[in-house]
Amino acid sequence: AQKVTQAQTEISVVEKEDVTLDCVYETRDTTYYLFWYKQPPSGELVFLIRRNSFDEQNEISGRYSWNFQKSTSSFNFTITASQVVDSAVYFCALSDTYSSASKIIFGSGTRLSIRP
Amino acid sequence: EAGVAQSPRYKIIEKRQSVAFWCNPISGHATLYWYQQILGQGPKLLIQFQNNGVVDDSQLPKDRFSAERLKGVDSTLKIQPAKLEDSAVYLCASSLDRPARGTEAFFGQGTRLTVV
Repeated sequence: AQKVTQAQTEISVVEKEDVTLDCVYETRDTTYYLFWYKQPPSGELVFLIRRNSFDEQNEISGRYSWNFQKSTSSFNFTITASQVVDSAVYFCALSDTYSSASKIIFGSGTRLSIRP
Repeated sequence: EAGVAQSPRYKIIEKRQSVAFWCNPISGHATLYWYQQILGQGPKLLIQFQNNGVVDDSQLPKDRFSAERLKGVDSTLKIQPAKLEDSAVYLCASSLDRPARGTEAFFGQGTRLTVV
């Protein structure tokens, strides 16, 4: 069965600090996709990144970086030099390729608060 | 490119009443999803359509919830009769292809339902 665990319910840091959001997943599939989404107060989930299970290269996009490690089934997200605008709820998600009925399942989210 | 459109944005109803939500996905997107997001939790998939066929509705409370996707485009989600525990944000999303292909989902702003 698929499962996504985000153990950190809430994180609060001061602006300009670095912060890492953890994501641990479970799947029986060998081919799967991992995602991160941001949910600002407006409520709409905004897609940030997709990773397939065969690509373990870390990704960097501006102040955002992602660390995918199959050995520990983790796909962590780091924000460098955080800003107040980064305050949101962040969700990690997983989809497998096991069948045509595959679906995208989400973790419970981490609420990130950046204090000025 | 227009995003996923949902209406209404907010709805307050009394328990045992009925309610309907509408979703217009991104043009050309074959897969449409309805998620339920209870406050403080991650989105939970209710139903997934591929074109106008249902791929997964395993978590849809079928005694009170129904959904359809007309001509493989717009979709409506209905609750009848509503219960207090149905209070949540209902998110519609669409993707170019099914999750097994690794395509990301794009979300609408959601409908916040309050049942009193």
